[in-house]
Amino acid sequence: AIQMTQSPSSLSASVGDRVTITCRASQGIRNDLGWYQQKPGKAPKLLIYAASNLQSGVPSRFSGSGSGTDFTLTISSLQPEDFATYYCLQDYNYPFTFGPGTKVDIK
Amino acid sequence: EVQLLESGGGLVQPGGSLRLSCTASGFTFNSFAMNWVRQAPGQGLKWVSTITASGGSTYYADSVKGRFTISRDNPKNTLYLQMNSLRAEDTAIYYCAKIVSPDYWGQGTLVTVSS
Repeated sequence: AIQMTQSPSSLSASVGDRVTITCRASQGIRNDLGWYQQKPGKAPKLLIYAASNLQSGVPSRFSGSGSGTDFTLTISSLQPEDFATYYCLQDYNYPFTFGPGTKVDIK
Repeated sequence: EVQLLESGGGLVQPGGSLRLSCTASGFTFNSFAMNWVRQAPGQGLKWVSTITASGGSTYYADSVKGRFTISRDNPKNTLYLQMNSLRAEDTAIYYCAKIVSPDYWGQGTLVTVSS
């Protein structure tokens, strides 16, 4: 199975900060990667699909990049509603695998 | 409005069985693969299983293979997860979801495996 790692596991940031989260796959997955945001007590929400495509309705401050094994989620200017946990998911092959998550909290 | 409504969670003893259901509305259910994703208390997301749109193919995480069975009834717009030989480590919130764009998620149903 493909293993997904994320870094950092957590970070503290201030409103307005630029935030970058990295996801790495144990083998090449083309661009078959999504980024999800989850807030406490809520279901996850897709932000980015196919590594770099912004899901409809998601603010443009979110962006994704990467291909192969290394991927990045960037929040250009962190907003109060962005404090959450972020997960990557590879859907290149089965079994699908999520990364362990990155918790973004308030500095 | 898209809705995915899960049901069937609850408390079950180790070794027991449970069947989760997920009723979909607001989108063409029979056109899309569907999934179960779970989240143990305080832990991250774990993909559990996928079934293709027709139901012809199914896929499982190694941790549930041979114990869980995913199925669907397209005329009833319903997804199922039959869970047998349950273990304490299966305790989690189980989400029914269409995880690819556009994504749709249920509210989750809690399964607790404990004696």
